Amino acid sequence: DIQMTQSPSSLSASVGDRVTITCRASQGISNYLAWYQQKPGKVPKLLISAASTLQSGVPSRFSGSGSGTDFTLTISSLQPEDVATYYCQKYNSAPFSFGPGTKVDIK
Amino acid sequence: EVQLLESGGGFVQPGGSLRLSCAASGFTFSSCGMGWVRQAPGKGLEWVSSIGRSGTLKYYADSVKGRFTVSRDSSNTLYLQMNTLRAEDTAVYFCARRPPSAESGTSYFDYWGQGSLVTVSS
Repeated sequence: DIQMTQSPSSLSASVGDRVTITCRASQGISNYLAWYQQKPGKVPKLLISAASTLQSGVPSRFSGSGSGTDFTLTISSLQPEDVATYYCQKYNSAPFSFGPGTKVDIK
Repeated sequence: EVQLLESGGGFVQPGGSLRLSCAASGFTFSSCGMGWVRQAPGKGLEWVSSIGRSGTLKYYADSVKGRFTVSRDSSNTLYLQMNTLRAEDTAVYFCARRPPSAESGTSYFDYWGQGSLVTVSS
């Protein structure tokens, strides 16, 4: 099975900072990669599908890139409401595994 | 408005069974694949199972294969029958919708229910 990893596992940044989260697949998955945001005590929210397609209503400061095995989620200017754990998920074929998550806090 | 409402969670002893239900509304249920994702207390998301639009295609995580069964019916309800439960199955179980535009055989989720807590303990 393809393994999904994320780095870093957590980060602390200042408001306005550019934040980058990396997701890596152990084998190529083309662009079948989704990103989710889960705020504390809340339900996960789909941010990005197909590695770079922003979902409707998601702020434009979020962006995704990558293909194959290496992917990134970027927050161009971190806002207080972005405090959350971010997960990537592969969805090309089962098992549709999630990465372990990256917890983002405000410094 | 898309709504997914889980029910059926609760407390069960190891080796026991539970059936989760997810009542879907606000969209054409038969046009969307569906899935279950769980989250153990303080842990990350774990994909559990997915089912295609027609109910023919079914997928399971290795951790639940042979113990859990996903199904759906024409009353716009998704189910997860969970047998031979273990302590490590303790989690909040989320029902989630695959976008209608998603390719068959893929599984990511654009709408999620609020979750149903399953606790397995003696």
